[in-house]
Amino acid sequence: AQSVTQLGSHVSVSEGALVLLRCNYSSSVPPYLFWYVQYPNQGLQLLLKYTTGATLVKGINGFEAEFKKSETSFHLTKPSAHMSDAAEYFCAVSLQAGTALIFGKGTTLSVSS
Amino acid sequence: AAGVIQSPRHLIKEKRETATLKCYPIPRHDTVYWYQQGPGQDPQFLISFYEKMQSDKGSIPDRFSAQQFSDYHSELNMSSLELGDSALYFCASSEGQSDEQYFGPGTRLTVT
Repeated sequence: AQSVTQLGSHVSVSEGALVLLRCNYSSSVPPYLFWYVQYPNQGLQLLLKYTTGATLVKGINGFEAEFKKSETSFHLTKPSAHMSDAAEYFCAVSLQAGTALIFGKGTTLSVSS
Repeated sequence: AAGVIQSPRHLIKEKRETATLKCYPIPRHDTVYWYQQGPGQDPQFLISFYEKMQSDKGSIPDRFSAQQFSDYHSELNMSSLELGDSALYFCASSEGQSDEQYFGPGTRLTVT
């Protein structure tokens, strides 16, 4: 069975600081991995995904994530936080294309000036 | 660009009533997924359809049913509503068996 663990339900950073949101997965087969962002009272927006190929993937809004099979991790990073990055971030996994997403519990990112 | 449309955006029902949520996928998307997100929770997969056929089933209660119509829109029917059904219900669509799911803004259901 697949599962996703997001370490830290709440992360606080200062504007301009590095953002690091942690995600570990459990999957019996090579997974498809995703990061979604959710702003208050809005739907989920895809930030980036890993399916195959290059393990360092770049997404929108300056975010990137690295798939590390040996560590079963897919951590999300951004070099310099902006106030507009404050939101809920969900890591998700699926077994294959066209199947349901299994989400982690989410991490709330707060950015202070 | 066109996005996933969900209606209504907000819905208030009383216990034991029924509710119908609608989802209009992005044009040319033939796959629809339904997710339920309780307060402060992660989204949980309910059910999905591909080419008007149910393709996968998750933790959907027996009181709920869903279908996908010939124009690919989907409806989630919920009966005998319970307080615990209060949640944000998301619909997502994709093209074929693509790995990218595009989410709608959600329908917030409140059961009183």
